[in-house]
Amino acid sequence: GAVVSQHPSRVICKSGTSVKIECRSLDFQATTMFWYRQFPKQSLMLMATSNEGSKATYEQGVEKDKFLINHASLTLSTLTVTSAHPEDSSFYICSARKGGGGQETQYFGPGTRLLVL
Amino acid sequence: GENVEQHPSTLSVQEGDSAVIKCTYSDSASNYFPWYKQELGKRPQLIIDIRSNVGEKKDQRIAVTLNKTAKHFSLHITETQPEDSAVYFCAAFSGAGSYQLTFGKGTKLSVIP
Repeated sequence: GAVVSQHPSRVICKSGTSVKIECRSLDFQATTMFWYRQFPKQSLMLMATSNEGSKATYEQGVEKDKFLINHASLTLSTLTVTSAHPEDSSFYICSARKGGGGQETQYFGPGTRLLVL
Repeated sequence: GENVEQHPSTLSVQEGDSAVIKCTYSDSASNYFPWYKQELGKRPQLIIDIRSNVGEKKDQRIAVTLNKTAKHFSLHITETQPEDSAVYFCAAFSGAGSYQLTFGKGTKLSVIP
């Protein structure tokens, strides 16, 4: 397997503030990381694909100015939820793509539970 | 884009019985199909995967089958145990070069002791 960490694991913030979530691949380099959002009792919904050294690719309906993604290195991607509102409260999970040559696999971070008051 | 359908949404089995979860996909270009197990409040854990050049793969009590022609794949868990209780997600890579996973809606498996 592979290890992907995510920080923080839980955050509570006031409406209007910004929250940064970090995703790190600890034992491998990941040129591509993915950010998902999961609401209670629902599946994982892809928000954006984060590529090292280039702009992220956002899924339809995801506001790029609200969810800022920076993939500064081969082991770190960050998601910043700007001007968070209660409806942004969710479980945010990142994953990192490992491997190549058609043998890619994705490994998930432990997730960040965001509660916006 | 890719569309993944997963059934059933909930499944209850007696301990020791088998459980089967089925998924279908729409994009014939998809070539990688992982299965994830997610316990409440935790990350999805990869439990088994299969690539399109293989029809079946087994790992102890877990097996996955793939029918490329019909575009469906299934997860089989034999001799179920209470610790198998979780939500299981199937997924498919949605296109060449993108490596995006498209997930099914999940199956909540309950194993009754």
